[in-house]
Amino acid sequence: NAGVTQTPKFRVLKTGQSMTLLCAQDMNHEYMYWYRQDPGMGLRLIHYSVGEGTTAKGEVPDGYNVSRLKKQNFLLGLESAAPSQTSVYFCASSYTDVQGALIGVHEQFFGPGTRLTVL
Amino acid sequence: AQSVTQPDIHITVSEGASLELRCNYSYGATPYLFWYVQSPGQGLQLLLKYFSGDTLVQGIKGFEAEFKRSQSSFNLRKPSVHWSDAAEYFCAGITLNDYKLSFGAGTTVTVRA
Repeated sequence: NAGVTQTPKFRVLKTGQSMTLLCAQDMNHEYMYWYRQDPGMGLRLIHYSVGEGTTAKGEVPDGYNVSRLKKQNFLLGLESAAPSQTSVYFCASSYTDVQGALIGVHEQFFGPGTRLTVL
Repeated sequence: AQSVTQPDIHITVSEGASLELRCNYSYGATPYLFWYVQSPGQGLQLLLKYFSGDTLVQGIKGFEAEFKRSQSSFNLRKPSVHWSDAAEYFCAGITLNDYKLSFGAGTTVTVRA
């Protein structure tokens, strides 16, 4: 079990360039998430997905797009990178269960992170 | 709003001393609560979790946490810290039918010899 993996681990972009970060999980989890982590600001949710083919905006979605074409993969795209997007990006996944009429989302499993610098 | 708060930004503790990290939550219903640890340059690792039942939960690396409904707290403790416990610690919470964890801002722990 590899858990949650992220590709690439490091990347340097110039302003205006585009790139895609790949997240893969082999735990058959329904929910997947993309976060960014900046000094003094903790973890901020960019986008998330509650299942294959579905995505939703988090706290800081501007400048990012996502896709979840396969259950095990969650892609984060930057169409035109800006210096403000310099950050460490974490992907996470989570499993769920049903409790009565409600869905319980359990702990999130995190990838090792991608350190992105935009010059 | 549903949230998790960590009042302490930074704590310094001597090796071998005890450690307690505070976490307060604000939820309408009893949340699921988690503690994560992040070592420098690493991702987040789950230390322990509380869903229901026993209010004292044991985790990995010798950590434990106690859920106190009356104080809306879920504090993390370790009786004797090791230098390798120097890291950033995050408390997080979620309620049923919510999709997203709420994370505290994190507490950085420094261990001095």
